[in-house]
Amino acid sequence: GALVYQYPRRTICKSGTSMRMECQAVGFQATSVAWYRQSPQKTFELIALSTVNSAIKYEQNFTQEKFPISHPNLSFSSMTVLNAYLEDRGLYLCGARTGGREQYFGPGTRLTVL
Amino acid sequence: GQQVQQSPASLVLQEGENAELQCNFSTSLNSMQWFYQRPGGSLVSLFYNPSGTKQSGRLTSTTVIKERRSSLHISSSQTTDSGTYLCAPLYGGSGNKLIFGTGTLLSVKP
Repeated sequence: GALVYQYPRRTICKSGTSMRMECQAVGFQATSVAWYRQSPQKTFELIALSTVNSAIKYEQNFTQEKFPISHPNLSFSSMTVLNAYLEDRGLYLCGARTGGREQYFGPGTRLTVL
Repeated sequence: GQQVQQSPASLVLQEGENAELQCNFSTSLNSMQWFYQRPGGSLVSLFYNPSGTKQSGRLTSTTVIKERRSSLHISSSQTTDSGTYLCAPLYGGSGNKLIFGTGTLLSVKP
């Protein structure tokens, strides 16, 4: 079956530092990978969508300078949160799909910023 | 941009009662996914439903694209159904974006 793994599951970083999170698709080819953030008491916001052979597209309020993403092959993606501050805390989900089909999500990386 | 509203925002039921959760979206879409969010935050995919009605056990999803709405029906609710339910329309164009709704928090009491 199709599975998506995320690492780490939980992480704590000091304000102003950076942290990297990873996403791995198993059992299918992730032609597109989307990164989402759920801040406390909110729904999931789309950060960016990475599609093979296309430039990574960031949503309003999210930038490559703050959330650089790498999608080097059809099974792996990573995103870094640079200069993390309190407003960056939350649950970061990676969703991967093949073509326009159902999106499969990982368990998320929960970021706490001190 | 796309807007996705869910109603009600929260719902309290007695075990055994039925629930109807609504999802309204502002622009036409390619498909609809419904998710259950576990207390720890991870998502469980309930339905991937381009249009029409799909059933899985006590859950039924109905999407009417031209009316820009989708619903999730839970019959004979159980305490283990408690949690947050999210709809997420899939929008086409460049990239097929999945946009999450505001969520419905369901509490089923014994």
